[in-house]
Amino acid sequence: AQTVTQSQPEMSVQEAETVTLSCTYDTSENNYYLFWYKQPPSRQMILVIRQEAYKQQNATENRFSVNFQKAAKSFSLKISDSQLGDTAMYFCSTYNFNKFYFGSGTKLNVKP
Amino acid sequence: ETGVTQTPRHLVMGMTNKKSLKCEQHLGHNAMYWYKQSAKKPLELMFVYNFKEQTENNSVPSRFSPECPNSSHLFLHLHTLQPEDSALYLCASSQGLAGGGYEQYFGPGTRLTVT
Repeated sequence: AQTVTQSQPEMSVQEAETVTLSCTYDTSENNYYLFWYKQPPSRQMILVIRQEAYKQQNATENRFSVNFQKAAKSFSLKISDSQLGDTAMYFCSTYNFNKFYFGSGTKLNVKP
Repeated sequence: ETGVTQTPRHLVMGMTNKKSLKCEQHLGHNAMYWYKQSAKKPLELMFVYNFKEQTENNSVPSRFSPECPNSSHLFLHLHTLQPEDSALYLCASSQGLAGGGYEQYFGPGTRLTVT
């Protein structure tokens, strides 16, 4: 069975600092996609960043970047220059075998 | 209306009631999904539809019955629910199936309470 593990239920970071959210997963597939989704308080879930497993280069979207370690099955999210609007639940997910698997989420609180 | 909308936003129902959740997407997407989000648990994929055809049913109890009359609308019919079914039900859509790396667009969810 595929599982996604987010070992940090809750984290805090000061505004303008950098924070890294961890995610590990289990899969027997060789090619798959990995996603980070963000769910702000009382707002809709939105995609933050995605990575295709066969691409070695780590994905980057403005202040958000990933550290994808395929052999270790690790997919961490780095948020640089944290902003108050980054306060949200962050979910790591992966999709293969026609199934989506989400982690239980990390609640990130950005402090002013 | 833009994006993905869900109605109602809140629903309280007794265990013997029958109700339906509605999802509509205005994005021209071909795939739609139902998820269950319970507190402190991972998001659970319930159903997947692609071009109106159900492609995934993750062993969901029969008291949940999905319906996809067209690519823009998705329903979740509820009957004889249990208190443990209380959760936030999220609808999502994507241009293609998410397995192809397509981004999912989520609705705001329906907060369901079963009494």
